Parts: sequence; C-alpha cells; structure tokens
Amino acid sequence: QKEVEQDPGPLSVPEGAIVSLNCTYSNSAFQYFMWYRQYSRKGPELLMYTYSSGNKEDGRFTAQVDKSSKYISLFIRDSQPSDSATYLCAMSVYNFNKFYFGSGTKLNVKP
Amino acid sequence: DTGVSQDPRHKITKRGQNVTFRCDPISEHNRLYWYRQTLGQGPEFLTYFQNEAQLEKSRLLSDRFSAERPKGSFSTLEIQRTEQGDSAMYLCASSLGDTKDRANYGYTFGSGTRLTVV
Repeated sequence: QKEVEQDPGPLSVPEGAIVSLNCTYSNSAFQYFMWYRQYSRKGPELLMYTYSSGNKEDGRFTAQVDKSSKYISLFIRDSQPSDSATYLCAMSVYNFNKFYFGSGTKLNVKP
Repeated sequence: DTGVSQDPRHKITKRGQNVTFRCDPISEHNRLYWYRQTLGQGPEFLTYFQNEAQLEKSRLLSDRFSAERPKGSFSTLEIQRTEQGDSAMYLCASSLGDTKDRANYGYTFGSGTRLTVV
C-alpha cells in the first residue's frame, strides 16, 4: 500500500466551478501537509502548507486536514482555465525532512 | 535571487554512460533535496542535505547514484552506468530548515532535469 493515495483523474470542470481535490494516507504520524501545482514539464509549485488538523485559506484556495480520517482536501473556488494543471499532495512526519507525494490529480478547467 | 536552478534542463544519454546534474538552491536555504519523478507519478524522495552533510538517502538511491554538496551551496547528482529505468525527471528543491518563520515553510522546487536513457 502506498503511503499517500490520490485519484489521478483527469477531472474536467467548467470555468467558475468549485473544485475538490483529495488525498488519503496511511501513516498517522504525518503532521505536515502541502499542496503543489505542476504544469506540464515544469517543477512543482507550492500552493498551500498546513500543520496538523484544520483549515487554511489563501485567496481562492482552501486546504483542509482531517487527521482522524487521514484525509486532506484542497478546494479551488471560481476555477479558471489557468488552474488547469496536475495537483500533488505531499506530507511528512517532520518538517523540512522528506515528503511523501501522491501521484497527482490532473485538472482541466474548460472555458 | 531567481529561485532554484537546475542544469541541464534535458539530457539524452546512451545506456551505460555516466551523467551528472547540477542544482543551485536559493542562496539562503540550508536544506537541499533531490527527488525523482516518472510520468504520471508524484516525486519520490532520493536524498537531502543540510549544508554539506547528507542526512538521509532513500533505498531508491542505488550504488550507481551519488550526490554531493561540497560547500553547502550547489549540489550535484551523478548516475553511473545509466539504465533505461533511470529515465525520469530529476527534481531539486531547497528550503530553510529549522526556522520558526512559518512564512518560510515548504520546499521550493527547480524546473528539473529530464533524463532520457536510450
């Protein structure tokens, strides 16, 4: 079983929709969680960083962590065609150590 | 500072040849990480450094792989006797380790070096 599971998609939504992206994990010791966006043939770009459980909001993006369910989510409001990319979740036991990544969900926002 | 730089962007090599990649992290970052990403997968951890010390290596890093960060600044990743299975994107990232400044959490990745072994 992989440490981090993520639905690969693709997920196709119309412009303006609310997008929900999710990951599940098996290691209850994870306490640092990140979401990255990756455009084709580019390096991942950090979107959100959260510690432990709870919600964090930044502009159109909201990250949620439910440690009791070992489940994290990223919500994108008012999605734009420029949001079309692969979204990767990542998590770690200790900060600034190695992170375990999901396989990524490919999102397509149609104009 | 322009972020994390990786060189070359692309490398095509014949099976059995040695290749070396370079990573220049963000200048004030003391931690440097190498990851490998294959098509349709997320990045997989290879190794990381704090300053010049290599603190952890993945089991993925076989004896053919070696990484160095001689002066705690740039890093090199060498693959000896390349195999077709080594074809992947090699990503470097850096971070400020052990900071209490929450604005500096998380990694910054470079654009990667895409290796094709033919």
